[in-house]
Parts: sequence; structure tokens; C-alpha cells
Amino acid sequence: QKEVEQDPGPLSVPEGAIVSLNCTYSNSAFQYFMWYRQYSRKGPELLMYTYSSGNKEDGRFTAQVDKSSKYISLFIRDSQPSDSATYLCAMLVKTGNQFYFGTGTSLTVIP
Amino acid sequence: ETGVTQTPRHLVMGMTNKKSLKCEQHLGHNAMYWYKQSAKKPLELMFVYNFKEQTENNSVPSRFSPECPNSSHLFLHLHTLQPEDSALYLCASSHIGGGLQETQYFGPGTRLLVL
Repeated sequence: QKEVEQDPGPLSVPEGAIVSLNCTYSNSAFQYFMWYRQYSRKGPELLMYTYSSGNKEDGRFTAQVDKSSKYISLFIRDSQPSDSATYLCAMLVKTGNQFYFGTGTSLTVIP
Repeated sequence: ETGVTQTPRHLVMGMTNKKSLKCEQHLGHNAMYWYKQSAKKPLELMFVYNFKEQTENNSVPSRFSPECPNSSHLFLHLHTLQPEDSALYLCASSHIGGGLQETQYFGPGTRLLVL
């Protein structure tokens, strides 16, 4: 079983839609959860960073962590064409600096 | 320059060539990383340097050789590569310890094609 599972998509939505991106994980020791956005031909860019279970909001983005279900989500409200990118989830065990990444979900927002 | 920079951005090399990738971070971090990103695969951690000391080497073939002369610079020396080594090579940095957010910041990557 992979440490982190993420549906690669591709996911295609109309502009203005609410987007839900998800990852599941198997290691209950993960404590830090991140979402990265990667545009074509660029490196991943940190989007959201959460530590505990619950929701964290930043503008149109909401990161949700459910440690009991080992499930994390990223919601994008009022999606824009500029949100078209690959979204990677990443997780970290505090005691080490080994990051575990999902495969990434490719998102296209159609104008 | 700010953040994490990488050079070159694109590289085409033959299997008998020797080349080096360079990474520089301007964030004051104490750890640097090399990742390999191939299509439809998770990011593969290759090397970790923590306070200039290598702490991780995930069974990377010896044709990849890292060098970290100081906490701001990281190199990846390449020699006798194979076509399957073609990928995007990403450098990242982070701050380990001190109670600060231990997340990684990535460079733009070097797109490598081995012919």
C-alpha cells in the first residue's frame, strides 16, 4: 500500500465551480499536511499548510484534515482559469524530514 | 534573487556526457533536497542534506552524485546517464528544527532529457 494516495485525474470544471481535491494516507504518524500547486514547467509552490485536524481557510482555498479517517482535502471556491495546474498533497512526520507526496491531480478550469 | 533558484532550466545530454545541476537557496534554510519528478509518479526523494551533511540517499544509482559545499548551495553531478533518467529534477530547501514551519520550498526545476 502506498503511503499517500491521490487520484491523478484529470479533473475538468467550468469557471466558478467548487473544486474538491483529496488525498488519503496510511501512516497515522503524519502530523503536517501540505498542498502544493504546480503549473506546467514550474516547480511546486506551497499553497496551504496545516498541522491539526479541522479546516484552514485562505481566500478561496480551504484545507481540511480528518486524522481519524486519514483523509485530507483541498477545496477551491469560485474556481478561475488561473487555478488550472497540478495539485500535490504532501505529508510529514515531525520526527524526520521525509516528505511523502501524492502523485498530483491535474485540474483544468474552463472559461 | 529570492527563493530557490536552479540552473540550467533545460538540459539535453548524451549517455556518455558529464554535466552538473546547480541549486541555490536564499531563504536561510539549513536543509536542501534533490527530487526526481517523472510523469504520473509521486515525487521521488533522491538526496537530503541537513546542515551540509548528507542524511538520506534513497538507493539512488551512483551515476548521480550530490555535492553540498555549504547550506545555500547544492549540486547534482551527472555521468553516464540512461534514457530513463529523463525527468524534471527539483531542488528544495527547508528549515529543520527551531520550532519553525518545516515545509519545503521548491525551485523551478531542471528539465533533463537523456538521449
